[in-house]
Amino acid sequence: GAGVSQSPSNKVTEKGKDVELRCDPISGHTALYWYRQSLGQGLEFLIYFQGNSAPDKSGLPSDRFSAERTGGSVSTLTIQRTQQEDSAVYLCASSQLQANTEAFFGQGTRLTVV
Amino acid sequence: AQSVTQLDSQVPVFEEAPVELRCNYSSSVSVYLFWYVQYPNQGLQLLLKYLSGSTLVESINGFEAEFNKSQTSFHLRKPSVHISDTAEYFCAVRPGGYNKLIFGAGTRLAVHP
Repeated sequence: GAGVSQSPSNKVTEKGKDVELRCDPISGHTALYWYRQSLGQGLEFLIYFQGNSAPDKSGLPSDRFSAERTGGSVSTLTIQRTQQEDSAVYLCASSQLQANTEAFFGQGTRLTVV
Repeated sequence: AQSVTQLDSQVPVFEEAPVELRCNYSSSVSVYLFWYVQYPNQGLQLLLKYLSGSTLVESINGFEAEFNKSQTSFHLRKPSVHISDTAEYFCAVRPGGYNKLIFGAGTRLAVHP
């Protein structure tokens, strides 16, 4: 596609429910990131998929959070048993694997846990 | 470990005044440097980047940043800001190789008339 696509754009869920957030990266981009941006806060790194290597999961805040990337393309971020503090905008970005390349961001998914 | 520090969380400035948003990084390896901008209610977009060559890089809307290796800094400047420059600005570094992009906490630039 022309850009990074995230769905849904907005999600309201009840506390305790599981949610899945989807990211379609730019075609050919082998690096994919998930970040979280809480109201008025900066970017919190969650996970980094780096081609065929094992993903860097060092930013996942708890074992309720997981992510996968199928076929080196689409990625899904899953949050189990959502809590109110999970409310945030979840941003996905993709890039080429080489470090001298920029990352392109999607518009994000705004998650609200009620 | 690599890290990025944006020294100012908020910078208020009057229209047509100059502005500098500071960014320092720490890394034991060579890095590539980026500034991203997030306008109100919009996504992040690249403002400018330093990959190699001239240490002074410019954006299309009048911002510039200078890579200073000895001071490990990549400060963003604009000689005369506009109301439309009001946004959050994020500095980011990406260590050489296949390493991930690392962001600073962001600086909120508020331009007042």
